[in-house]
Amino acid sequence: EDQVTQSPEALRLQEGESSSLNCSYTVSGLRGLFWYRQDPGKGPEFLFTLYSAGEEKEKERLKATLTKKESFLHITAPKPEDSATYLCAVQGAAGNKLTFGGGTRVLVKP
Amino acid sequence: DAGVIQSPRHEVTEMGQEVTLRCKPISGHDYLFWYRQTMMRGLELLIYFNNNVPIDDSGMPEDRFSAKMPNASFSTLKIQPSEPRDSAVYFCASTVLRHSGANVLTFGAGSRLTVL
Repeated sequence: EDQVTQSPEALRLQEGESSSLNCSYTVSGLRGLFWYRQDPGKGPEFLFTLYSAGEEKEKERLKATLTKKESFLHITAPKPEDSATYLCAVQGAAGNKLTFGGGTRVLVKP
Repeated sequence: DAGVIQSPRHEVTEMGQEVTLRCKPISGHDYLFWYRQTMMRGLELLIYFNNNVPIDDSGMPEDRFSAKMPNASFSTLKIQPSEPRDSAVYFCASTVLRHSGANVLTFGAGSRLTVL
C-alpha cells in the first residue's frame, strides 16, 4: 500500500525566511509525485509533477526536488501570499489513484 | 472552462437523513474521483470512475455510502443514513490520462457536510 508522510505539520515563517517542506513516501513503482497547494475553503490546486529521482521543478518562489524516498518543497524568500497548506501525493504503477500525505500548513508573517 | 463544479457547497443535516452530493467534471476528462478530507485523516480516496465505470471503491467506508456516474458529465455521492462521523469536506476531482500515465487531478471547491 502506498504511503506518504509530510513534515513538519505546521511551519511559521517570517517574510523572506526560506525553508523546506519534506515528503517521505513508499510506493510500488512511482508513476508520479505531485505537489498541491490548498487555501482555506478551497480545493487543492496543482503545482508540480515529478517523475524520477533527480528531477527538479520551479515555479516562482517554489522549487520541488525528488529522491527515491522523499521529495522536498523549497520556499525561497516567502511572501505572506505563500501561506497555505501544501499537500504531497504519489501515484504508483498499480493504478490511477493518488495517495495524499497529511499536508504542511505554512504561515508567512509580514 | 468552469472547472470541476460541486454542489451543494455547504450542507447541514440531522443524523439519519439522506445526503446527496453532486459533481460535474471537466468536459473531456474520463476519470472522476471522490475524496473526503478531515483534520484527523487528511484526504482519503473514496471511489474513482473511468469512463463512467467504478474502478476502485475500496475506500468507501461502508454500505451507507454509494456513488454513481450515470453519464460523463455528472456524478453523485450519496450517504444514507448519515451519521455525525460523516462530517467532512467531500471533494470531487477529474482528470484525463496523460502519455506519462501520471494523473494531474483538478479538484472542485468541495462540499462541506455537517451531520448533527
